[in-house]
Amino acid sequence: SAVISQKPSRDICQRGTSLTIQCQVDSQVTMMFWYRQQPGQSLTLIATANQGSEATYESGFVIDKFPISRPNLTFSTLTVSNMSPEDSSIYLCSGRQGTTEAFFGQGTRLTVV
Amino acid sequence: GENVEQHPSTLSVQEGDSAVIKCTYSDSASNYFPWYKQELGKGPQLIIDIRSNVGEKKDQRIAVTLNKTAKHFSLHITETQPEDSAVYFCAASKGNNDMRFGAGTRLTVKP
Repeated sequence: SAVISQKPSRDICQRGTSLTIQCQVDSQVTMMFWYRQQPGQSLTLIATANQGSEATYESGFVIDKFPISRPNLTFSTLTVSNMSPEDSSIYLCSGRQGTTEAFFGQGTRLTVV
Repeated sequence: GENVEQHPSTLSVQEGDSAVIKCTYSDSASNYFPWYKQELGKGPQLIIDIRSNVGEKKDQRIAVTLNKTAKHFSLHITETQPEDSAVYFCAASKGNNDMRFGAGTRLTVKP
């Protein structure tokens, strides 16, 4: 399966600032997704990153807070904007080619202080 | 939308014993059911998957069974080893859409 390189792996940020997380896939994929995972919890879908168009957000997540870019079929970014301590979490990107398996980056552990 | 429930939330077994984790899903249109293993500080890794046209799939010590009528699927790990200790997630999806995940099972294999 393909490999996703996600960075940064972790960061500690001041409240009110923004952090951009990047994911690079080593091959073209049809779909890319962004998930949030609270420590010890399951994965919650934030949005589907659409190539060349606006991302599709799940209920409870909005573009102003989590802007997403996907300029091509191998790269996507998620920005966590105007951060508060409640945004402290693990953020994961995922890729999927058609109906094949979905694979994940190693995650970004974000702490907002 | 799809809702996936997973049980148990924690499971502790003795090395060499078997472990079984069960999931149910709500959307009868779901047709792809993967299982992921997540170790501390890492992203989920696919360990086995099954599609709706198959009832059972096995890969060495790991097997998955699917009951479409009852909308449930299970992960079976035989001859468990300490390195099997991790959090396991089941998921369901339809077509090429996103995965919907269960709550996770923390498996501990005691030597």
